Amino acid sequence: ETGVTQSPTHLIKTRGQQVTLRCSSQSGHNTVSWYQQALGQGPQFIFQYYREEENGRGNFPPRFSGLQFPNYSSELNVNALELDDSALYLCASSLASTGANYGYTFGSGTRLTVV
Amino acid sequence: QKEVEQDPGPLSVPEGAIVSLNCTYSNSAFQYFMWYRQYSRKGPELLMYTYSSGNKEDGRFTAQVDKSSKYISLFIRDSQPSDSATYLCAMSWSGGYQKVTFGTGTKLQVIP
Repeated sequence: ETGVTQSPTHLIKTRGQQVTLRCSSQSGHNTVSWYQQALGQGPQFIFQYYREEENGRGNFPPRFSGLQFPNYSSELNVNALELDDSALYLCASSLASTGANYGYTFGSGTRLTVV
Repeated sequence: QKEVEQDPGPLSVPEGAIVSLNCTYSNSAFQYFMWYRQYSRKGPELLMYTYSSGNKEDGRFTAQVDKSSKYISLFIRDSQPSDSATYLCAMSWSGGYQKVTFGTGTKLQVIP
């Protein structure tokens, strides 16, 4: 299977709830990064996982957390949802050897709406 | 001041025009420069990447990097309606984990 797949494609949650977003990386890619893209903005780096450990984090609070599994699939968890968390959440995979500097493969994203 | 500045547009051009998209940046540590294309309701798709200063051409697309001016450009020749999308510049450095910093994106519309 090629490409990055994300699920679900759309989600509506209530403020204060928790959400889990899922991602299957491109075959052969061992590094996964998550980005948040607000409407009209560029993607903002949330964190990166390699070998099932977080190895880099952007300016996001601890209520944003993640997991990477041995098959390189990944989850993004967000607790205590706030209205400002409404955004497109993008999963991006890459090879650790070449890295994101030579480009990510992005999924189509999960559109999260918090009401 | 944002690390990467990009005019959000929108930019409307007639089919066949040459399009110029630009970004400026403030972090001199950036060494890798990328351009992504994002269609509505889709994730970004890598168009081109370059390392350090110089030009790179791929078909109708040419990327230019001027590190002395902290300025990068993407040129699209013979623009087509299918080029209508949002174009994101992106940059990163070689140290540490691989965080990529994106511009806000420029929305391009090519009118038939």
